[in-house]
Amino acid sequence: DAGVTQTPRHEVAEKGQTIILKCEPVSGHNDLFWYRQTKIQGLELLSYFRSKSLMEDGGAFKDRFKAEMLNSSFSTLKIQPTEPKDSAVYLCASRLGGSSYEQYFGPGTRLTVL
Amino acid sequence: GEKVEQHESTLSVREGDSAVINCTYTDTASSYFPWYKQEAGKSLHFVIDIRSNVDRKQSQRLIVLLDKKAKRFSLHITATQPEDSAIYFCAASMDTGYQNFYFGKGTSLTVIP
Repeated sequence: DAGVTQTPRHEVAEKGQTIILKCEPVSGHNDLFWYRQTKIQGLELLSYFRSKSLMEDGGAFKDRFKAEMLNSSFSTLKIQPTEPKDSAVYLCASRLGGSSYEQYFGPGTRLTVL
Repeated sequence: GEKVEQHESTLSVREGDSAVINCTYTDTASSYFPWYKQEAGKSLHFVIDIRSNVDRKQSQRLIVLLDKKAKRFSLHITATQPEDSAIYFCAASMDTGYQNFYFGKGTSLTVIP
């Protein structure tokens, strides 16, 4: 079985640009998470979907971050406009759901905003 | 909301010794506590978990202890090996149908050969 895939693996953007990160969850998984990982803040939840419905939108990240799940096998995270402080690794994770809690993480996208 | 604190940001042990990583949480409703490992340059993967209906769980060299009264849980790695070197994250989750994870900030474990 394929794990969680994320593209691109690396992204460099100029301040003010719009970037879109992509994620394909494990086939059959119902829950999907987007996280931002930095050394200082650790893992911060950006969005959480259950069966394509948005359950959590990450509070402080609402204004410039928008995650969507157009179908059960594909999700995007749009950052608009990007700022240098957005430089981080963005992780996507999926989970079967129900009584199965284990999250499977993708390899991440390393974003650098100049 | 829930807040998970991971007490050791770094930890060094000699190969063969035990390593202990401690976490505390704030919400008494939390009932599921997983641990994830992140090796250098890689993403996170699950290593072990514990649910609130037990206070101890072991999987090979990994032991998780849960003290619900103190709202504390810990990961014990026995007979450490160099390949145990990684960042370990603890997390807490509720089981109320809204099962988001709240992660600690991670503990960087170095096993010295």
